[in-house]
Amino acid sequence: DIHLTQSPSFLSASVGDRVTITCRASQGISDYLAWYQQKPGKAPKVLIFDASTLQSGVPSRFSGSGSGTEFTLTIRSLQPEDFATYYCQQVNSYPRTFGQGTKVEIK
Amino acid sequence: EVQLLDSGGGLVQPGGSLRLSCAASGFTFSNHAMNWVRQAPGRGLEWVSAIGGSGATTYYIDSVKGRFTISRDNSKNTLYLQMNSLRADDTAVYYCATSYSISYVFDIWGQGTMVTVSS
Repeated sequence: DIHLTQSPSFLSASVGDRVTITCRASQGISDYLAWYQQKPGKAPKVLIFDASTLQSGVPSRFSGSGSGTEFTLTIRSLQPEDFATYYCQQVNSYPRTFGQGTKVEIK
Repeated sequence: EVQLLDSGGGLVQPGGSLRLSCAASGFTFSNHAMNWVRQAPGRGLEWVSAIGGSGATTYYIDSVKGRFTISRDNSKNTLYLQMNSLRADDTAVYYCATSYSISYVFDIWGQGTMVTVSS
């Protein structure tokens, strides 16, 4: 099974900050990685797929990069609605594992 | 509108059984693989199982193999998860999800149904 490790698990940031979340895979997954945002009590929403492709309707302040085993999600200028938990997921093979999540809270 | 509607959750005793359903609408159900993802209270997302569009291919996480069975009825546009020998650590919100417009990635999700395993 492919294990995904996100860092940090928690971060405190202010509106306007640039935020970077890292996801490391235990083995190479090419660009078969997606990023999701989840708010309390809601289903996750896909932000990025194929490691760097922005999903339709997602603000351009979100971006993704990486390939192989190391990936990043960047939020260029954090907005109030961005405070949420973010997950990476590999879709290279089964089981379709998720990272443990990164909770972004208001400083 | 493309939509998934989860149902069937509830309170069940350890060792008991429950069947979850996911009703799909707004798309050609048989053309899409379907998945179950769960989230224990206060915890992260965990992929549980997947089934191909025809139902011929299935996948499971190790912890549910032999206890859970995923299936689908394409004539009813409905996905199922039969859960047997339930344990306390199966307690979670269960979501169905599919890759509607993006290959492999879950871009459509149900609203989730809560399963509580407790005596």
